Amino acid sequence: QITLNESGPTQVKPTQTLTLTCTFSGFSLSSSGMGVGWIRQPPGKALEWLALIYWDDEKRYSPSLKSRLTITRATPRNQVVLTMTNMDPVDTATYYCAKRTVAGQFDYWGQGTPVTVSS
Amino acid sequence: DIQLTQSPSSLSASVGDRVTITCRASQTINNFLHWYQQKPGKAPILLIYSASSLQTGVPSRFSGSGFGTDFTLTISSLQSEDFAIYYCQQYSDWPLYSFGQGTKLDIK
Repeated sequence: QITLNESGPTQVKPTQTLTLTCTFSGFSLSSSGMGVGWIRQPPGKALEWLALIYWDDEKRYSPSLKSRLTITRATPRNQVVLTMTNMDPVDTATYYCAKRTVAGQFDYWGQGTPVTVSS
Repeated sequence: DIQLTQSPSSLSASVGDRVTITCRASQTINNFLHWYQQKPGKAPILLIYSASSLQTGVPSRFSGSGFGTDFTLTISSLQSEDFAIYYCQQYSDWPLYSFGQGTKLDIK
């Protein structure tokens, strides 16, 4: 059974750094074609892709947010961590992690974690 | 950047109706186009991948078609549980992954 779970703070202050952890089970991120990505959704708005780490440790970022994002694998190896610097109220959203597979689709998602940016 | 434009943005329909949602890409993306369903407060669920392949466990009333820049998601006979927001998503060289703006399907 494949599961993903996001964890992290529910609230951060403007200018702070957000750190989110995705803990997954039921698949190996070392398998060719696999990846774990982060997607966010502001309240009432569309989904926005943020970052992705591949099975071979390649990393890709949304061009508009690249300067603020870092995605890494954590120890143990079934965790992926996203950091986003210089948080702003417009970054208020539900943040999802999702498993990426061979044709670039996200076939399993976590339940999402809400993050509010407010002083 | 490749932009995805969904139409319509919202749609009202009745149980039993046949519904079609369109997703247009600003550049060709071959068949790297996927469809998701999202209900309020829930994570998206993958329905269709690679334009026309049905994800395991998804009812056969959902189907997808298209190649290049124009794609469609069809629900052959709407059920009450299908009222939701639908998103298309593309995978390409740049910017790798992006989503459409969504189509809200509600009850007429």
